[in-house]
Amino acid sequence: DIQLTQSPSTLPASLGERVTISCRASQSISNSLNWYQQKPDGTVKRLIYSTSTLESGVPSRFSGSGSGTDYSLSISSLESEDFAMYYCLQYATYPYTFGAGTKLELK
Amino acid sequence: EVQLVESGGGLVQPGRSLKLSCLASGFTFSNYGMNWIRQAPGKGLEWVASISSSSSYIYYADTVKGRFTISRDNAKNTLYLQMTSLRSEDTALYYCASGVASWGQGVMVTVSS
Repeated sequence: DIQLTQSPSTLPASLGERVTISCRASQSISNSLNWYQQKPDGTVKRLIYSTSTLESGVPSRFSGSGSGTDYSLSISSLESEDFAMYYCLQYATYPYTFGAGTKLELK
Repeated sequence: EVQLVESGGGLVQPGRSLKLSCLASGFTFSNYGMNWIRQAPGKGLEWVASISSSSSYIYYADTVKGRFTISRDNAKNTLYLQMTSLRSEDTALYYCASGVASWGQGVMVTVSS
């Protein structure tokens, strides 16, 4: 199974700050990686698919990059609604696997 | 607008069975593979099972293989998850997802005596 190591687990940040979340796979996943945001009410939203394609309606301050085994999600200028949990998902092979999550919290 | 509405959750005793449903609307259900994903209380996301658009391909996580069965009825725009031999560790919020794009709000399953 492919393991995803997501870091950091917690990310304290301020409004307007730029942040980056990392997701490292245990083997190459050929850009088959998505990023999701989960709000405290449980609502899950896909932000980025295929490493770097922004989901329709998602603000352009979100961006994704990476290749091979190393991937990242960046938020260029944090807004209040961005403080949430973030997960990466690899769908290169079954079983699909998620990273352990990053809690983006207000510093 | 894509809508996925899960139902069928609840409190169940260990060893018993439960069947979840997910009613889809706002897209051509029969064209998309579907997934069940769960989240135990206070934990991260765990992929559970996938089914292709025509039910030709089905995959399960090792943690549920042999106990859970994913299925779909394209005429009813509905995805199912039949869960048997339930264990306390199956307690979770269960989400259905179209492909891995749109997700429902989830349905809670609690396995406890």
